[in-house]
Amino acid sequence: EVQLVESGGGLIQPGGSLRLSCAASGFTVSSNYMSWVRQAPGKGLEWVSVIYSGGSTYYADSVKGRFTISRDNSKNTLYLQMNSLRAEDTAVYYCAVISSSWAFDYWGQGTLVTVSS
Amino acid sequence: EIVLTQSPATLSLSPGERATLSCRASQSVSSYLAWYQQKPGQAPRLLIYDASNRATGIPARFSGSGSGTDFTLTISSLEPEDFAVYYCQQRSNWPLFTFGQGTRLEIK
Repeated sequence: EVQLVESGGGLIQPGGSLRLSCAASGFTVSSNYMSWVRQAPGKGLEWVSVIYSGGSTYYADSVKGRFTISRDNSKNTLYLQMNSLRAEDTAVYYCAVISSSWAFDYWGQGTLVTVSS
Repeated sequence: EIVLTQSPATLSLSPGERATLSCRASQSVSSYLAWYQQKPGQAPRLLIYDASNRATGIPARFSGSGSGTDFTLTISSLEPEDFAVYYCQQRSNWPLFTFGQGTRLEIK
């Protein structure tokens, strides 16, 4: 059974850094396309970043240069390093597996990041 | 950037009725469109991929259609558990992805 468990969210001051983790089970992270999607309180879904099985990474313009997606194959875990955080980065962050049809097949339960002084 | 516009923003219907949700793309996305359902406090769930294919375990009352710029998600006969927010998503301008702003389906 595919499971994704995010962690690492919390309250952080503007300009600070945070690293989110997404521990996977039931499949191999490095063999799949993995993504982060966020949702600001009361708002819609926003795609954030993707890492392909070959290691290529891509970002939404809103986070480019501040966020870094990575994975640890030995831990079967996906990460999102978030630097220079802003109030507008406040959201629930979900990790998701991208299927061969380029849809987000499986989702974690999400972790809340609150950027506030 | 491809923009997805969903309509209506809110749809009020009763159980047993038919629901028709629309998603329009600012330029052609071929058939690279998916639909998701999200209930309060839960992660989104994939319903439809490639415009018309139901994901694993999705009931037959959910169907998707369309190609190019105009897409429709139809729920043939609403069950109480279907009242939620629905999002469309495209991947045509790979490697970027875009979601629509959502349609809230509420009980009338």
